[in-house]
Amino acid sequence: QKEVEQDPGPLSVPEGAIVSLNCTYSNSAFQYFMWYRQYSRKGPELLMYTYSSGNKEDGRFTAQVDKSSKYISLFIRDSQPSDSATYLCAMSGKSGGSNYKLTFGKGTLLTVNP
Amino acid sequence: DADVTQTPRNRITKTGKRIMLECSQTKGHDRMYWYRQDPGLGLRLIYYSFDVKDINKGEISDGYSVSRQAQAKFSLSLESAIPNQTALYFCATRGMQDRNEQFFGPGTRLTVL
Repeated sequence: QKEVEQDPGPLSVPEGAIVSLNCTYSNSAFQYFMWYRQYSRKGPELLMYTYSSGNKEDGRFTAQVDKSSKYISLFIRDSQPSDSATYLCAMSGKSGGSNYKLTFGKGTLLTVNP
Repeated sequence: DADVTQTPRNRITKTGKRIMLECSQTKGHDRMYWYRQDPGLGLRLIYYSFDVKDINKGEISDGYSVSRQAQAKFSLSLESAIPNQTALYFCATRGMQDRNEQFFGPGTRLTVL
């Protein structure tokens, strides 16, 4: 079983739709959970950051972490064509020591159609 | 100005050539990383450095070497490039905070013929 699983899509939705992106993971030591957005031919940029379980909201974006199910989600409300990008989940264990690295999902390609 | 810059942005080279990709950052971060991204394989860690004197191999370091010339500069070298090293290469940084988030450069698209 891979440490982080993410459906690669592609996912195509009409403008204004609610988008749900998900990742599952197997490593119970993960405590830091991130979502990155990557536009075509650009570097990933941090979109949402969550520590441990719970929800975090930022504008149209909501990140959810369910550690008991080892499942994280990113919701995009009122999706816009400018949201069209690849979304990567990333996670890591406790800062310091050997838990230096982020483990990434392979990314989900999202297209929002006008 | 961008916090993390990479040069060149695009490079086409031939098998057997030595190539150097450069990364500079103005974020003042200690930790720097090199990744490659391939379709269907996602981001994979090549090398990482916690400071100028601390360099470590990642999951796919074979065929690559790195140099941390200063806190702000981290270079990746392909000693003898081969076609399966054709990929998108990213440099990233991370500060000493507790958050573990990384900040990525714009990437270098490398093609080895």
